[in-house]
Amino acid sequence: GQNIDQPTEMTATEGAIVQINCTYQTSGFNGLFWYQQHAGEAPTFLSYNVLDGLEEKGRFSSFLSRSKGYSYLLLKELQMKDSASYLCAARGTYKYIFGTGTRLKVLA
Amino acid sequence: DAGVIQSPRHEVTEMGQEVTLRCKPISGHDYLFWYRQTMMRGLELLIYFNNNVPIDDSGMPEDRFSAKMPNASFSTLKIQPSEPRDSAVYFCASSSSPNQPQHFGDGTRLSIL
Repeated sequence: GQNIDQPTEMTATEGAIVQINCTYQTSGFNGLFWYQQHAGEAPTFLSYNVLDGLEEKGRFSSFLSRSKGYSYLLLKELQMKDSASYLCAARGTYKYIFGTGTRLKVLA
Repeated sequence: DAGVIQSPRHEVTEMGQEVTLRCKPISGHDYLFWYRQTMMRGLELLIYFNNNVPIDDSGMPEDRFSAKMPNASFSTLKIQPSEPRDSAVYFCASSSSPNQPQHFGDGTRLSIL
């Protein structure tokens, strides 16, 4: 089958580091995307991994292990504006599947 | 640069009516995607096109849903007849290739009464 699992909700404190995990199963694998979605808005692209390892982009980093079917998004120096849903999406041979998203609440 | 443009932004209609959602992708993007988002099911891919040809429509819920892309700059998603369970936010997205990020429109918030 094809599916994506990620935690439903997480809470963290401003200035802290948070890791959002994602496990996936796809028929074929051609990349893993992370998107951020603020309430009432459209998703916006954060990162793309196709090879194993860590991709760093400022405060955000994304990691992929293809053998484990596992990815995580790491957010450093959390800010209040990072409160949003984070969507993990995998691209199979012809299919794209999205997780239901992780709602992150950043507390002052 | 203009992003993905969707219309209408909001639609409220009675069950049984035909609903047409419209999308203009970013110029030069060969891939166009239609998604539906609800609290219960999250973001679901309904169908996507490459060079105006449907590639995967396995996410289309049932025959009441149909999508067309008559040219590279326009696509429609139709629901006929509409039902209350079709109420959701419908997003259109486009990308230049499968490995490039998808750019999402602002969505159409659809309410079927």
